[in-house]
Amino acid sequence: EPEVTQTPSHQVTQMGQEVILRCVPISNHLYFYWYRQILGQKVEFLVSFYNNEISEKSEIFDDQFSVERPDGSNFTLKIRSTKLEDSAMYFCASSEEQGQETQYFGPGTRLLVL
Amino acid sequence: GNSVTQMEGPVTLSEEAFLTINCTYTATGYPSLFWYVQYPGEGLQLLLKATKADDKGSNKGFEATYRKETTSFHLEKGSVQVSDSAVYFCALARNTGGFKTIFGAGTRLFVKA
Repeated sequence: EPEVTQTPSHQVTQMGQEVILRCVPISNHLYFYWYRQILGQKVEFLVSFYNNEISEKSEIFDDQFSVERPDGSNFTLKIRSTKLEDSAMYFCASSEEQGQETQYFGPGTRLLVL
Repeated sequence: GNSVTQMEGPVTLSEEAFLTINCTYTATGYPSLFWYVQYPGEGLQLLLKATKADDKGSNKGFEATYRKETTSFHLEKGSVQVSDSAVYFCALARNTGGFKTIFGAGTRLFVKA
Protein backbone atom coordinates (compact mmCIF):
# COMPACT_ATOMS: atom_id res chain seq x y z
CA GLU A 1 0.00 0.00 0.00
CA PRO A 2 1.45 3.41 -0.93
CA GLU A 3 2.42 5.61 1.96
CA VAL A 4 3.78 9.02 2.78
CA THR A 5 7.40 8.96 3.95
CA GLN A 6 9.34 11.57 5.90
CA THR A 7 13.00 12.13 6.63
CA PRO A 8 14.67 12.43 9.00
CA SER A 9 12.69 10.72 11.72
CA HIS A 10 14.46 12.81 14.36
CA GLN A 11 16.36 16.07 14.08
CA VAL A 12 18.20 17.97 16.80
CA THR A 13 19.35 21.50 16.03
CA GLN A 14 20.63 24.61 17.74
CA MET A 15 18.42 27.65 18.09
CA GLY A 16 18.86 29.98 15.12
CA GLN A 17 19.86 27.23 12.72
CA GLU A 18 17.98 26.40 9.54
CA VAL A 19 16.32 23.02 9.17
CA ILE A 20 14.72 21.33 6.20
CA LEU A 21 12.20 18.58 6.75
CA ARG A 22 11.55 16.30 3.82
CA CYS A 23 8.50 14.41 2.70
CA VAL A 24 7.68 12.13 -0.19
CA PRO A 25 3.90 12.19 -0.72
CA ILE A 26 1.94 9.39 -2.33
CA SER A 27 2.80 9.50 -6.01
CA ASN A 28 -0.57 10.33 -7.60
CA HIS A 29 -1.57 12.85 -4.96
CA LEU A 30 -1.82 16.54 -5.82
CA TYR A 31 -2.48 18.27 -2.47
CA PHE A 32 0.22 18.46 0.16
CA TYR A 33 0.17 19.61 3.76
CA TRP A 34 2.28 20.20 6.81
CA TYR A 35 1.00 19.92 10.35
CA ARG A 36 2.74 20.07 13.68
CA GLN A 37 2.10 18.61 17.10
CA ILE A 38 3.81 20.13 20.10
CA LEU A 39 4.38 17.43 22.72
CA GLY A 40 1.11 16.48 24.41
CA GLN A 41 -0.94 18.95 22.41
CA LYS A 42 -3.29 18.82 19.47
CA VAL A 43 -2.26 18.50 15.84
CA GLU A 44 -2.22 21.94 14.21
CA PHE A 45 -2.46 22.82 10.53
CA LEU A 46 0.47 24.78 9.12
CA VAL A 47 0.09 24.99 5.36
CA SER A 48 -1.49 23.43 2.30
CA PHE A 49 0.10 23.38 -1.14
CA TYR A 50 -1.34 22.73 -4.56
CA ASN A 51 -0.18 23.36 -8.09
CA ASN A 52 3.16 24.68 -6.88
CA GLU A 53 1.75 27.33 -4.64
CA ILE A 54 0.45 27.75 -1.11
CA SER A 55 -3.33 27.46 -1.05
CA GLU A 56 -3.78 28.17 2.65
CA LYS A 57 -1.61 28.82 5.68
CA SER A 58 -2.21 29.27 9.38
CA GLU A 59 -1.04 32.09 11.61
CA ILE A 60 1.72 29.79 12.83
CA PHE A 61 3.22 29.71 9.34
CA ASP A 62 5.09 33.01 9.49
CA ASP A 63 8.02 34.32 7.45
CA GLN A 64 10.37 31.83 9.11
CA PHE A 65 8.61 28.98 7.35
CA SER A 66 8.60 28.09 3.68
CA VAL A 67 7.57 25.10 1.60
CA GLU A 68 8.78 23.85 -1.70
CA ARG A 69 8.27 21.04 -4.13
CA PRO A 70 11.72 21.04 -5.70
CA ASP A 71 11.10 18.06 -7.98
CA GLY A 72 8.32 15.66 -8.86
CA SER A 73 8.48 13.67 -5.67
CA ASN A 74 9.73 15.68 -2.67
CA PHE A 75 7.86 18.23 -0.59
CA THR A 76 9.92 20.17 1.92
CA LEU A 77 9.32 22.41 4.92
CA LYS A 78 12.10 24.85 5.76
CA ILE A 79 12.43 26.72 9.02
CA ARG A 80 14.96 29.50 8.48
CA SER A 81 15.96 30.36 12.03
CA THR A 82 14.65 27.86 14.53
CA LYS A 83 13.31 28.87 17.91
CA LEU A 84 12.89 26.76 21.03
CA GLU A 85 9.14 26.77 20.53
CA ASP A 86 9.53 25.14 17.11
CA SER A 87 10.28 21.87 18.90
CA ALA A 88 7.47 19.56 17.86
CA MET A 89 6.54 16.59 15.73
CA TYR A 90 6.00 17.70 12.13
CA PHE A 91 3.66 15.65 9.96
CA CYS A 92 3.43 15.75 6.21
CA ALA A 93 0.21 14.67 4.52
CA SER A 94 -1.11 14.31 1.01
CA SER A 95 -4.45 13.80 -0.69
CA GLU A 96 -5.74 13.02 -4.15
CA GLU A 97 -7.38 15.41 -6.53
CA GLN A 98 -9.98 17.91 -5.40
CA GLY A 99 -12.96 16.38 -3.68
CA GLN A 100 -10.97 13.72 -1.85
CA GLU A 101 -10.74 15.05 1.65
CA THR A 102 -8.96 12.07 3.17
CA GLN A 103 -5.40 13.00 3.96
CA TYR A 104 -2.74 10.37 4.43
CA PHE A 105 -0.14 11.23 7.01
CA GLY A 106 3.52 10.39 7.18
CA PRO A 107 5.17 9.04 10.33
CA GLY A 108 6.45 12.47 11.32
CA THR A 109 9.77 14.15 12.03
CA ARG A 110 10.49 14.91 15.66
CA LEU A 111 12.34 18.24 15.80
CA LEU A 112 14.15 19.29 18.94
CA VAL A 113 15.57 22.81 19.11
CA LEU A 114 18.17 23.37 21.83
CA GLY B 1 -15.26 28.90 12.46
CA ASN B 2 -14.73 25.17 12.18
CA SER B 3 -13.79 23.27 15.32
CA VAL B 4 -13.83 19.84 16.92
CA THR B 5 -14.43 19.09 20.58
CA GLN B 6 -13.78 15.67 22.04
CA MET B 7 -13.96 14.27 25.52
CA GLU B 8 -10.97 14.78 27.71
CA GLY B 9 -8.92 11.82 28.74
CA PRO B 10 -7.35 9.78 29.80
CA VAL B 11 -9.90 7.03 29.52
CA THR B 12 -8.93 3.86 31.36
CA LEU B 13 -10.79 0.63 30.63
CA SER B 14 -10.36 -3.05 31.31
CA GLU B 15 -9.93 -5.43 28.42
CA GLU B 16 -13.24 -6.36 26.73
CA ALA B 17 -15.00 -3.26 28.06
CA PHE B 18 -17.18 -1.09 25.84
CA LEU B 19 -15.60 2.12 24.57
CA THR B 20 -17.21 5.43 23.73
CA ILE B 21 -15.23 8.57 22.95
CA ASN B 22 -17.48 11.54 22.35
CA CYS B 23 -16.83 14.01 19.57
CA THR B 24 -18.85 17.02 18.44
CA TYR B 25 -18.05 19.48 15.72
CA THR B 26 -18.86 22.97 14.53
CA ALA B 27 -18.70 23.63 10.82
CA THR B 28 -20.44 25.45 8.07
CA GLY B 29 -21.76 23.23 5.34
CA TYR B 30 -21.12 19.51 5.28
CA PRO B 31 -17.66 18.45 6.36
CA SER B 32 -16.18 15.00 6.17
CA LEU B 33 -15.44 13.50 9.58
CA PHE B 34 -12.57 11.29 10.62
CA TRP B 35 -11.05 9.41 13.49
CA TYR B 36 -7.28 9.13 13.54
CA VAL B 37 -5.27 6.98 15.94
CA GLN B 38 -1.75 7.60 17.20
CA TYR B 39 -0.01 4.66 18.85
CA PRO B 40 2.85 5.42 21.24
CA GLY B 41 5.84 6.82 19.39
CA GLU B 42 4.16 6.63 16.00
CA GLY B 43 2.45 8.93 13.51
CA LEU B 44 -1.20 9.43 12.68
CA GLN B 45 -3.18 6.62 11.12
CA LEU B 46 -6.60 7.03 9.61
CA LEU B 47 -8.95 4.78 11.57
CA LEU B 48 -12.27 5.50 9.88
CA LYS B 49 -14.21 8.22 8.12
CA ALA B 50 -17.68 9.31 7.07
CA THR B 51 -18.38 11.81 4.33
CA LYS B 52 -22.09 12.56 4.71
CA ALA B 53 -24.91 12.53 7.23
CA ASP B 54 -25.96 9.11 8.55
CA ASP B 55 -22.87 7.43 7.11
CA LYS B 56 -21.23 4.95 9.43
CA GLY B 57 -17.48 4.53 9.27
CA SER B 58 -16.01 1.30 10.60
CA ASN B 59 -12.63 -0.38 10.88
CA LYS B 60 -10.96 -2.89 13.23
CA GLY B 61 -14.12 -3.17 15.32
CA PHE B 62 -14.40 0.59 15.78
CA GLU B 63 -17.33 2.50 14.37
CA ALA B 64 -18.73 6.02 14.31
CA THR B 65 -21.90 7.47 12.79
CA TYR B 66 -22.10 10.94 11.28
CA ARG B 67 -25.02 12.60 13.10
CA LYS B 68 -25.86 15.92 11.51
CA GLU B 69 -28.74 16.67 13.86
CA THR B 70 -26.48 16.48 16.91
CA THR B 71 -23.25 17.47 15.07
CA SER B 72 -21.58 14.42 16.55
CA PHE B 73 -19.29 11.61 15.48
CA HIS B 74 -18.79 9.46 18.57
CA LEU B 75 -16.30 6.60 18.39
CA GLU B 76 -17.39 3.21 19.76
CA LYS B 77 -15.96 -0.27 20.12
CA GLY B 78 -17.75 -3.16 21.71
CA SER B 79 -14.75 -4.89 23.26
CA VAL B 80 -11.42 -3.13 23.61
CA GLN B 81 -8.04 -4.85 23.70
CA VAL B 82 -4.76 -3.84 25.32
CA SER B 83 -3.43 -3.15 21.83
CA ASP B 84 -6.05 -0.41 21.39
CA SER B 85 -4.19 1.76 23.88
CA ALA B 86 -3.41 4.94 21.95
CA VAL B 87 -4.47 8.54 21.46
CA TYR B 88 -7.58 8.99 19.34
CA PHE B 89 -8.18 12.19 17.39
CA CYS B 90 -11.51 13.26 15.98
CA ALA B 91 -11.16 15.53 12.95
CA LEU B 92 -13.06 17.27 10.20
CA ALA B 93 -12.12 18.44 6.75
CA ARG B 94 -13.76 20.85 4.37
CA ASN B 95 -12.69 22.46 1.16
CA THR B 96 -11.30 25.78 2.33
CA GLY B 97 -8.94 26.08 -0.61
CA GLY B 98 -6.97 23.02 0.37
CA PHE B 99 -9.04 20.65 2.49
CA LYS B 100 -7.15 21.31 5.68
CA THR B 101 -7.96 18.92 8.48
CA ILE B 102 -8.98 20.33 11.84
CA PHE B 103 -8.25 18.09 14.80
CA GLY B 104 -9.71 17.74 18.24
CA ALA B 105 -7.40 17.73 21.24
CA GLY B 106 -7.12 13.95 21.33
CA THR B 107 -8.26 11.41 23.89
CA ARG B 108 -5.76 9.04 25.42
CA LEU B 109 -7.06 5.52 25.97
CA PHE B 110 -5.42 3.06 28.35
CA VAL B 111 -6.65 -0.54 28.28
CA LYS B 112 -5.63 -2.77 31.20
CA ALA B 113 -5.28 -6.53 30.91
